[in-house]
Amino acid sequence: QVQLQESGPGLVKPSQTLSLTCTVSGGSISSGGYYWSWIRQHPGKGLEWIGYIYYSGSTYYNPSLKSRVTISVDTSKNQFSLKLSSVTAADTAVYYCARNSKLTVSYDYWGQGTLVTVSS
Amino acid sequence: NFMLTQPHSVSESPGKTVTISCTRSSGSIASNYVQWYQQRPGSSPTTVIYEDNQRPSGVPDRFSGSIDSSSNSASLTISGLKTEDEADYYCQSYDSSNQVFGGGTKLTVL
Repeated sequence: QVQLQESGPGLVKPSQTLSLTCTVSGGSISSGGYYWSWIRQHPGKGLEWIGYIYYSGSTYYNPSLKSRVTISVDTSKNQFSLKLSSVTAADTAVYYCARNSKLTVSYDYWGQGTLVTVSS
Repeated sequence: NFMLTQPHSVSESPGKTVTISCTRSSGSIASNYVQWYQQRPGSSPTTVIYEDNQRPSGVPDRFSGSIDSSSNSASLTISGLKTEDEADYYCQSYDSSNQVFGGGTKLTVL
């Protein structure tokens, strides 16, 4: 059974960089066939795709966030990471990592989510 | 970029049937598959429909999906409603450069 677990600071100061890591267990990022994704949910709001990465390192970002987002992968640790720069209070949200299957084009496994608050 | 528009909320009684719509603002709804996710309070989303009308294993056949090119929309239909179906439902689709989620629909089973 594939499991994803987000980790990182729950509090980030305005103008700083938000950094999160997703650790994948029960399956290898390097096996191919999946995009490794970051999705966020503002409090009480809907889901927003941030971007995803293939094991080869190819990345795809939400055009509205592209200038501030970097997603990277470390296949040796079976992890992928998110960096979001110049954060403001508007970036306060629950951040999920998820697996997008190329076969079914759906997000078939999700982490539990981690709340990141942007505040001084 | 396109948007997916869903009704903010729907409600229906146990045992009845409810349909949630998802309208694509530009581009054909049929050009890219639509997925539907269920999110219960405090939990991560789970897939109930993928590729317009396919159900993952474990999802009851009370859940069905369809698309309608004439209205450029997708629909999630839940029949034989149960109180456990009460949740938020999100549609999702994509194009060559973007993944898009609908704003979500709160289903109340009362």
